[in-house]
Parts: sequence; structure tokens; C-alpha cells
Amino acid sequence: GEQVEQLPSILRVQEGSSASINCTYENSASNYFPWYKQEPGENPKLIIDIRSNMERKQTQGLIVLLDKKAKRFSLHITDTQPGDSAMYFCAASGAQGLTFGLGTRVSVFP
Amino acid sequence: GGIITQTPKFLIGQEGQKLTLKCQQNFNHDTMYWYRQDSGKGLRLIYYSITENDLQKGDLSEGYDASREKKSSFSLTVTSAQKNEMAVFLCASSIREDTQYFGPGTRLLVL
Repeated sequence: GEQVEQLPSILRVQEGSSASINCTYENSASNYFPWYKQEPGENPKLIIDIRSNMERKQTQGLIVLLDKKAKRFSLHITDTQPGDSAMYFCAASGAQGLTFGLGTRVSVFP
Repeated sequence: GGIITQTPKFLIGQEGQKLTLKCQQNFNHDTMYWYRQDSGKGLRLIYYSITENDLQKGDLSEGYDASREKKSSFSLTVTSAQKNEMAVFLCASSIREDTQYFGPGTRLLVL
């Protein structure tokens, strides 16, 4: 199977706190895990990615973790700001390119 | 850097009509994809192509045709538009199974 499960589907966080999104995948051959951010009316844009030879990657206020044994990876947005409100999609590589999760709608409130 | 363009940006069709969406990329990527995104939902793969003249069906290929005329372009045809259908069609390209870059999308509305 090549399904990617993404949770939660909706996430409301207070400005300044952290937001965490979790994804699990089925394909043990997956070796590339990107995260996309999509703002209303816009196309998805790559914000961070991680490959299977790493367990952790950080860029600016984003941290991704990968647990290959558990087939689980996660995105952590630290010190959330109003501009972080958007849809976020995880994805895992496979035979048909990337398989996407169903998305998480993140809302940052004051 | 490169860019993906999709035409048209908005497409209004009639029920039963055959509608064609076009996508061009200048990344020189081998692989191109068509996704459908319904309002507030995830991305569902319709067709993809790993090289010129290649076509591979995704999970949502029924009701669609595609054509990879050359490396830089990938077209999608809705064979018979469904009444009240409303969705965004996103084109993407990549080097094999790596990072996909998305075009701006075509917004379809069927009256």
C-alpha cells in the first residue's frame, strides 16, 4: 500500500505556541518526505523536506522528524505566527511519485 | 530556477462538454503530474507521465484523458464535464520521485 495518513485534520493554536502535525506511511521503500504549505487560492509550496538518511531537520521555525522504523514523520512549527495559518500537506515518495496526506488546516489565533 | 504555467486560469464549461487544460514547465523535468483538488481537500492524482509520450493512470483517471506531447508540456482533458462540478486542477513536475513543483492551477466550474 502507499497510503499516507495525516493527523489532525484541523489544528487551532495560539500565537507563539507550537503546532505539530503527524503523518504515517505504508510503503517501506519511501525515502523522501516533503511538506507543503498551501494558502487560500494559491498552489502548494514546498517548505521543508527530509530524506531517509536523516532523523531530524530544522530550517528557521520548522522542524521535521522521521522515524523510519515506525514509518512516521512529523512537522513542528515553533513560535507560530498568523502567517502560519494555512493548509499543510505531508507526502511520501513511492512508485507514482509522491503520495499526499489529506492535509491539516492550521489556524493561529491571537 | 524554473516556472510552471497552466492555462486557462479559469474554465467555465457546460455539462457534457469536453474540456482541455494545458501545462508547460521549463525546469526540464522528466516527470509531470495532474492532480485534482476539491475545496478544502487533499490532492488526488489523475495522471502522470515519466517522459515524453508516456502516460500512467493515477487513482482518479476515470473521466479524464491526458497527453504528453513533448517533455515540457502535459495536457489534461475532461472527457465529459459533470454538472455543478467545481474543482482546482494542479499540474506539477519533478525529477523522478523527488520534490514536486506546482503550477498555479486551473479553476473549473461546470454550469
